[in-house]
Amino acid sequence: NAGVMQNPRHLVRRRGQEARLRCSPMKGHSHVYWYRQLPEEGLKFMVYLQKENIIDESGMPKERFSAEFPKEGPSILRIQQVVRGDSAAYFCASSGTGSGSTYEQYFGPGTRLTVT
Amino acid sequence: EDQVTQSPEALRLQEGESSSLNCSYTVSGLRGLFWYRQDPGKGPEFLFTLYSAGEEKEKERLKATLTKKESFLHITAPKPEDSATYLCAVQATGGYNKLIFGAGTRLAVHP
Repeated sequence: NAGVMQNPRHLVRRRGQEARLRCSPMKGHSHVYWYRQLPEEGLKFMVYLQKENIIDESGMPKERFSAEFPKEGPSILRIQQVVRGDSAAYFCASSGTGSGSTYEQYFGPGTRLTVT
Repeated sequence: EDQVTQSPEALRLQEGESSSLNCSYTVSGLRGLFWYRQDPGKGPEFLFTLYSAGEEKEKERLKATLTKKESFLHITAPKPEDSATYLCAVQATGGYNKLIFGAGTRLAVHP
């Protein structure tokens, strides 16, 4: 499967626990993006990463949320001390480098986080 | 502020009844406009990228067009399997690569 992979697909956490969401980009892609889709709302940008660098985190909540894309392994979106308002679908997308069609972002199947 | 507005919010068509979805945008400088399809419980599926006014792209029953202020997604003779939410997004120059999405149009095609 050469597409964007996310796991887990579904995650249930109790309030106050930590959630870790993983994303492996499409083969050959080195740019990773995280988006959040709240119930009945549109997709909202959270953060843009390249290997070992956060490029744009303008959409990331200032507290409890962090993201990384290490040299080896998948990108991780981490939510500490989850609250009910964090319940949403979290999508990862990836793109290539350079210009033209490489700006196109391809999305994974998402992780649906439920906070109880 | 960069913004994307899609209309209508929902559209119900009979099979074979052609129609168009609208995406109006306000952006400081347009790098690209993207159309995606999203089925329930799944991630957005890439359809088209348009880069400049006057550009058109086609794929099966879908055709996307772009002007300086809006884009249209034309659906010709739709089938029930075209039922989905169609999302429009813009990417601004100078805004790194983030996509700004509209709320989407929910399309239902009935046999």
